[in-house]
Amino acid sequence: GAVVSQHPSRVICKSGTSVKIECRSLDFQATTMFWYRQFPKQSLMLMATSNEGSKATYEQGVEKDKFLINHASLTLSTLTVTSAHPEDSSFYICSAPLTTSTETQYFGPGTRLLVL
Amino acid sequence: RKEVEQDPGPFNVPEGATVAFNCTYSNSASQSFFWYRQDCRKEPKLLMSVYSSGNEDGRFTAQLNRASQYISLLIRDSKLSDSATYLCVVNWAYSGYALNFGKGTSLLVTP
Repeated sequence: GAVVSQHPSRVICKSGTSVKIECRSLDFQATTMFWYRQFPKQSLMLMATSNEGSKATYEQGVEKDKFLINHASLTLSTLTVTSAHPEDSSFYICSAPLTTSTETQYFGPGTRLLVL
Repeated sequence: RKEVEQDPGPFNVPEGATVAFNCTYSNSASQSFFWYRQDCRKEPKLLMSVYSSGNEDGRFTAQLNRASQYISLLIRDSKLSDSATYLCVVNWAYSGYALNFGKGTSLLVTP
């Protein structure tokens, strides 16, 4: 079946640095990808919708200048956490739906970010 | 007001037991409904979709009551491997394919 990969799986960085997370659809094209964030014991929260060929759509309360999203191709979306701070430490997960069905949506394995 | 609400549990049950999880959602325009399973420190995985007529997949039965905005999941004959967090997930009609997740209900099946 379709697979979505994420890289890196885990990253530890110093406060103030930027971190780039890649999300790739491996055997299908994804015009849309979603970025979620999950804090401990909390639900996955949608951060933004990544659209190939156009600007990302951000959810209320998510700073677009801090969380830069680039949907470079039909198989790649990147999320860059700029000037990361400890409160950005979280589990970041991307997903990509097969465009014909919400039921067929594939999640990446997630990236665990720890900002010191 | 939380959009998708679940009892966080934890539910501790012995092997072989039947356990039921409930979920309510606030948006009456919700379009699609799912139960996902999430293991510790892993991504969520689709367990089953939920249809108005109710549906069953092996030991798992899901029910949807649109009038009450209520979703349920029943697990029969619990296995140790069923231990996980079960996420109630709803798709709003206006949100495209983006999903709205509950916090999850934690299940621990013990020998």
